[in-house]
Amino acid sequence: EAAVTQSPRNKVAVTGGKVTLSCNQTNNHNNMYWYRQDTGHGLRLIHYSYGAGSTEKGDIPDGYKASRPSQENFSLILELATPSQTSVYFCASGDGRPGQLYFGEGSKLTVL
Amino acid sequence: GMPVEQNPPALSLYEGADSGLRCNFSTTMKSVQWFQQNHRGRLITLFYLAQGTKENGRLKSTFNSKERYSTLHIKDAQLEDSGTYFCAAASSGSWQLIFGSGTQLTVMP
Repeated sequence: EAAVTQSPRNKVAVTGGKVTLSCNQTNNHNNMYWYRQDTGHGLRLIHYSYGAGSTEKGDIPDGYKASRPSQENFSLILELATPSQTSVYFCASGDGRPGQLYFGEGSKLTVL
Repeated sequence: GMPVEQNPPALSLYEGADSGLRCNFSTTMKSVQWFQQNHRGRLITLFYLAQGTKENGRLKSTFNSKERYSTLHIKDAQLEDSGTYFCAAASSGSWQLIFGSGTQLTVMP
């Protein structure tokens, strides 16, 4: 089983503050993804990456930046957090083969 | 409407019962995946289908691209089956997954 770990698992931030969510994977997967999960919407793709140095916009990228400094690490950055970004965020990694997607346990973010 | 509509939103079963979840697609999808979100929050892949039917123990999934639906059937439900189940589909020409809104399953003793 691929190991995808996220930190922090829980975060409370204030409106206008900067938040960084980190993701680390240990299986040498090229592709990494950030999703958010909201009631009634399932998971929606925010940003993804094909490898170190690459970041691409997903379906809902506004208000988020991403950084892939290495094969193992992929961060999601909220420069100016807003209450609408309160959600549970999931990181995933994959090797590009269909059906091969491994998720972290999620990071619950509350923006007050 | 939503590209992937998942039903029902919530489902309660007694241990030993059988039931099914369904996802309908508004457009032709080339593949579907089913995930279970466990009590720790992690999503675990149950099935990946490009066509047809797959079985794994008490679970069976079917994908009909032409008729635009997929089903997940749970047989002899157990307490540990409780959790939220998601379908996610990829449309033709794209690898990106479009998730359904999930089914929260509760299995009762």
